[in-house]
Amino acid sequence: AQSVTQLGSHVSVSEGALVLLRCNYSSSVPPYLFWYVQYPNQGLQLLLKYTSAATLVKGINGFEAEFKKSETSFHLTKPSAHMSDAAEYFCAVSEGGGSNYKLTFGKGTLLTVNP
Amino acid sequence: EPEVTQTPSHQVTQMGQEVILRCVPISNHLYFYWYRQILGQKVEFLVSFYNNEISEKSEIFDDQFSVERPDGSNFTLKIRSTKLEDSAMYFCASTRDRVGYEQYFGPGTRLTVT
Repeated sequence: AQSVTQLGSHVSVSEGALVLLRCNYSSSVPPYLFWYVQYPNQGLQLLLKYTSAATLVKGINGFEAEFKKSETSFHLTKPSAHMSDAAEYFCAVSEGGGSNYKLTFGKGTLLTVNP
Repeated sequence: EPEVTQTPSHQVTQMGQEVILRCVPISNHLYFYWYRQILGQKVEFLVSFYNNEISEKSEIFDDQFSVERPDGSNFTLKIRSTKLEDSAMYFCASTRDRVGYEQYFGPGTRLTVT
């Protein structure tokens, strides 16, 4: 069964600082991995995805994530935080079969950006 | 840009009442999902739907829940007799294909059961 662990329910950084949001997964087969962002009162928006191509994945808004199989990790980073990055971030894994491919989410990390 | 829409944005209902949450997936998508997020908890899978039938459901999705695609555009989630613990944000999602394609999420319906 697939599962996701996000370390740190709340991360606070200063504007311009590095953002690092951690995600570890458990999967019995090669996974598809995703990062979604949720702004207040909005739905989930895809930031980036890993689908077994390049291990370093670039997404929108300057975010990127690196798939490390040996560490079962898919941490999200951004070199320089912006105030507009303040949101909740969810890591998700998909490994279904047949006609499913459901997503299993982590508990989310709330990112606060301080001026 | 195409998007998934959901109505209503907020629904308040009394315990024991039936509610129907509505979603309009992206038009050329074939796979549909419902998820829910209880306040302060993670987003949880409820059910997936393809080719007019349920392809998988979680243990949360008991006999009180049902889904339907009554026409070519709407995808609905019905809760027959709501309980207090059904209070949550319900998200609809759709995807064009299953392999490696991201799911597009709607803005959610906040269901409050009193």
